[in-house]
Amino acid sequence: SQQGEEDPQALSIQEGENATMNCSYKTSINNLQWYRQNSGRGLVHLILIRSNEREKHSGRLRVTLDTSKKSSSLLITASRAADTASYFCATPYSGAGSYQLTFGKGTKLSVIP
Amino acid sequence: NAGVTQTPKFRVLKTGQSMTLLCAQDMNHEYMYWYRQDPGMGLRLIHYSVGEGTTAKGEVPDGYNVSRLKKQNFLLGLESAAPSQTSVYFCASSYAGGGYGYTFGSGTRLTVV
Repeated sequence: SQQGEEDPQALSIQEGENATMNCSYKTSINNLQWYRQNSGRGLVHLILIRSNEREKHSGRLRVTLDTSKKSSSLLITASRAADTASYFCATPYSGAGSYQLTFGKGTKLSVIP
Repeated sequence: NAGVTQTPKFRVLKTGQSMTLLCAQDMNHEYMYWYRQDPGMGLRLIHYSVGEGTTAKGEVPDGYNVSRLKKQNFLLGLESAAPSQTSVYFCASSYAGGGYGYTFGSGTRLTVV
């Protein structure tokens, strides 16, 4: 199954700084999604970018997608302590006539107040 | 509040015991999924359903069974629990397949001793 891989595995920054996380995937996709998981909680959908889009914004989040390099990045600007969480990229995988998401292992972001 | 509800939130089982995890969604989503999350492994798909009365195997289906008798409910069963099934289990639902964002439940932490 195809799977995204996030980089770095862990990231620690000061509050107010920008945080950038990257995701690489293996085969062609029609969309890529980013999720956030706070400690001990379920995943929360942040943003979906389609293969014909290069950049997408949502509040302090900016996602880019480079299909030629099979990579995506998630930028969180002006980070806050509340942004401390794990961030996962997810890509569709085809199985039994439908598509399901496969998830990377995540980037653990720590924002220090 | 609309969303995905998982019960129970915590459970301890002895090896060989059986149990059923319940997932309920009130968003009229067609697709439902069961994932397990283990340290260093990310999320792995166990089983999924593309509609009422249907189920399909995911990446790690062995030792689990599922049923989707009603559209809003997706049950995950462990017939004979093993220590290797100690994990956090997440249910998710989506409007359709991997082209849409998933809504996750808050998880069930299962320990098999």
